[in-house]
Amino acid sequence: NAGVTQTPKFQVLKTGQSMTLQCAQDMNHNSMYWYRQDPGMGLRLIYYSASEGTTDKGEVPNGYNVSRLNKREFSLRLESAAPSQTSVYFCASGFRPNTGELFFGEGSRLTVL
Amino acid sequence: QQQVKQSPQSLIVQKGGISIINCAYENTAFDYFPWYQQFPGKGPALLIAIRPDVSEKKEGRFTISFNKSAKQFSLHIMDSQPGDSATYFCAASMRGYQKVTFGTGTKLQVIP
Repeated sequence: NAGVTQTPKFQVLKTGQSMTLQCAQDMNHNSMYWYRQDPGMGLRLIYYSASEGTTDKGEVPNGYNVSRLNKREFSLRLESAAPSQTSVYFCASGFRPNTGELFFGEGSRLTVL
Repeated sequence: QQQVKQSPQSLIVQKGGISIINCAYENTAFDYFPWYQQFPGKGPALLIAIRPDVSEKKEGRFTISFNKSAKQFSLHIMDSQPGDSATYFCAASMRGYQKVTFGTGTKLQVIP
C-alpha cells in the first residue's frame, strides 16, 4: 500500500525558476494538505483542499499555488522560486476529526540557490 | 503568531529516563490535541491524541496530560529508549475546519 506518494524527493532550483511538487494518495481521502517544515518553525500549512474542487490558503501561502487535479492528486507549484522557499515539503491527506490525524508522505527536500 | 507553542526545542535523556515535552495553545476552539512522531527522512505519524474533556491518556509508555483551564498539555515518555529518538510535534485541530496546527517540534535524543 503506497499511502501518500510525493515526487520528486529532492530538487535543486535556481532563484526565479519554477517547479511543481506532485502528491498522490490512494486512501480515497477527501482532504489533502501541503505543509513546509523548517528548523525551529515546525510544520506550517501552505494550502489545503477539503474536498475535490476546493482549495484554501493556510498560514504561509505567499509564493505558492496549488491544483486539486482530482480526488487522488494535489500539486504545489512555485512560480518563481526564492531562497526563502528552501525547505522540506510534506503532503498529507485525510483528516480524522476524533483524533486530528493526518497521513503524511515522506517529504520533498527543495533547495533554492 | 504561533498558535501552538512547544518546548523544549531539543531534549537529551538517558535510557530509562522520563522525557517531558510541553505545549500551550491560545485558541479555545481547538477540539483535539494529537501528538506526532517523526523519524529522520520520514513524514510525521500520529502517536497519540487527547480530547479536551479528558485530563490524561496513556498508551504504553506514552502519556498525555491535559490542563484545559491553563490551556496546556504535555507528553511524557516513560522508560525512554534509544528507539524513541525522533522529533515530536504537538498539534491542535478543529474538526469544523479539517485543519491541524502544529507546534515547533522537539528533537529528542535518548542516549544509552
